[in-house]
Amino acid sequence: GESVGLHLPTLSVQEGDNSIINCAYSNSASDYFIWYKQESGKGPQFIIDIRSNMDKRQGQRVTVLLNKTVKHLSLQIAATQPGDSAVYFCAENTSGGGADGLTFGKGTHLIIQP
Amino acid sequence: DAGVIQSPRHEVTEMGQEVTLRCKPISGHDYLFWYRQTMMRGLELLIYFNNNVPIDDSGMPEDRFSAKMPNASFSTLKIQPSEPRDSAVYFCASSSGRSPLHFGNGTRLTVT
Repeated sequence: GESVGLHLPTLSVQEGDNSIINCAYSNSASDYFIWYKQESGKGPQFIIDIRSNMDKRQGQRVTVLLNKTVKHLSLQIAATQPGDSAVYFCAENTSGGGADGLTFGKGTHLIIQP
Repeated sequence: DAGVIQSPRHEVTEMGQEVTLRCKPISGHDYLFWYRQTMMRGLELLIYFNNNVPIDDSGMPEDRFSAKMPNASFSTLKIQPSEPRDSAVYFCASSSGRSPLHFGNGTRLTVT
């Protein structure tokens, strides 16, 4: 079946630098995408979402970019802090944001170097 | 908002034993999900409910797994009999309509 995947399993950045986490998806019917952050010993925590009628969405220090042409999603974190160290998951949905059918990628481990 | 509450946080059991995982969703949420997380397979959807009714259980590995939602504030995931390959972190999540999923902190299951 179609699935969501990630380009890099581990990303190491210096504190204060910007980081970019990438995600490729293969289901062209996906119309809603979410980024989650998972810290050790905790459940995934919602960061930001974007619908397929948008190319970019900004939150606090985070930006999600969606390129439907190449089925690519990215999460940009500005001025990374030690608390940003976590595993980041992208997830896709084919029901317009309905909670059912959310498919998660494998995750990227972001390491913030002091 | 207390968030999604799961219990126990850790469960260690021997192969063949019955395991019951519990979840209390966020009040007012009408969707409840059970996910399993392993290093090899990542986050896998096992089953989800809408208004206490199971909608899709195609992710449940086999008949040893069962889930119930007797009311809007409680759900269980049962494994009987448990096997070592069931060792994983099990997450419960809830949502309201088109809102993003809110996850609990999971139950780490170890079957020896």
